[in-house]
Amino acid sequence: DSGVTQTPKHLITATGQRVTLRCSPRSGDLSVYWYQQSLDQGLQFLIHYYNGEERAKGNILERFSAQQFPDLHSELNLSSLELGDSALYFCASSVGQENTEAFFGQGTRLTVV
Amino acid sequence: DAKTTQPPSMDCAEGRAANLPCNHSTISGNEYVYWYRQIHSQGPQYIIHGLKNNETNEMASLIITEDRKSSTLILPHATLRDTAVYYCIVKGYGQNFVFGPGTRLSVLP
Repeated sequence: DSGVTQTPKHLITATGQRVTLRCSPRSGDLSVYWYQQSLDQGLQFLIHYYNGEERAKGNILERFSAQQFPDLHSELNLSSLELGDSALYFCASSVGQENTEAFFGQGTRLTVV
Repeated sequence: DAKTTQPPSMDCAEGRAANLPCNHSTISGNEYVYWYRQIHSQGPQYIIHGLKNNETNEMASLIITEDRKSSTLILPHATLRDTAVYYCIVKGYGQNFVFGPGTRLSVLP
């Protein structure tokens, strides 16, 4: 158990819909990262938040957005869903931006039908 | 893009040491080498990281060459449960963990 909690574990929704994925970081961790892993692609970095502020953006679509709340949990919002958005979405957390390890949650498997 | 190069796949006999190489010839002086693994579709699992000295923990050892252009992750006694994709990542302060395709390690009985 990494200490990072992601909910829900599985999500099935229709094209055009909007979903919210939730991540609770390890206690004391200020950084939260979001990654997408599709079947035909590796782990793609989406976005990084540190203590409530966005720090870096990767290959995140405009239909996707995220935020980190004062209690440090984070949400990834996916809208106007397409079949190609079906993937595993992972959240990771680390203490800060220093050279320390990040710990990953078990992911949310999103299936768009 | 990932700053590392790893072989796409390797086999190892159960009970033997698994030595996974990684090339990172463009590594900067303040960048660390991290290793993660992903078993099936589970979340990536942290293994070990280091700057220039060799590191060892309960899971593995990390050997970094003196010029820091390559490293080797050693699993001393591989078991079937070590079958996974292993990722070598170079990361500096404020940077993000960029995953390449990794090495698919198969531990054979």
